[in-house]
Amino acid sequence: GAVVSQHPSRVICKSGTSVKIECRSLDFQATTMFWYRQFPKQSLMLMATSNEGSKATYEQGVEKDKFLINHASLTLSTLTVTSAHPEDSSFYICSARASTSGSLTDTQYFGPGTRLTVL
Amino acid sequence: KQEVTQIPAALSVPEGENLVLNCSFTDSAIYNLQWFRQDPGKGLTSLLLIQSSQREQTSGRLNASLDKSSGRSTLYIAASQPGDSATYLCAPLSGGSRLTFGEGTQLTVNP
Repeated sequence: GAVVSQHPSRVICKSGTSVKIECRSLDFQATTMFWYRQFPKQSLMLMATSNEGSKATYEQGVEKDKFLINHASLTLSTLTVTSAHPEDSSFYICSARASTSGSLTDTQYFGPGTRLTVL
Repeated sequence: KQEVTQIPAALSVPEGENLVLNCSFTDSAIYNLQWFRQDPGKGLTSLLLIQSSQREQTSGRLNASLDKSSGRSTLYIAASQPGDSATYLCAPLSGGSRLTFGEGTQLTVNP
């Protein structure tokens, strides 16, 4: 099956620093990738939709200048949390849509997640 | 805006029981609905995907049904095992390729 990886799996950083998280589709091309955030005991909330070669679309309430998304290739999207603060501590999960047919309903494959802790 | 509710929030059962997890959603205009499993601190594992035109899907001991018009889906787990312990999430796919997740049912199967 399709595999999506994330790196790093865990990161601890000091308040005010920036952290970059990578999401890669390993065995398929993904024109669209999605970034989710999950707080403890809560469900996944979509942060943004990332299309290769264009600007990401952010959900309401998500600061685009704080959560920078780059989708430079068909297999890689990055999420940079800029000037991180303790309230940004969360579990960040990406997914990639295998666009073999170009349908918007193609299956999304999820990465294993990145645990961010901001001290 | 799609809203998803999962009942119960938590469930603890002895090994061997058959289980039903419930999911309801407010907007019936969906393309499909997926059930996922999430282990603590881990990502998501897709269990079953039901297209909007289908009524049910089966995979091993798992069976998922979909009643799109009433905005409901159920996940049936037969002969539960301790290894089934996890959080189960349902997520309908709506317009704009948007998956909306429920808060999940935390399942514990006791040996």
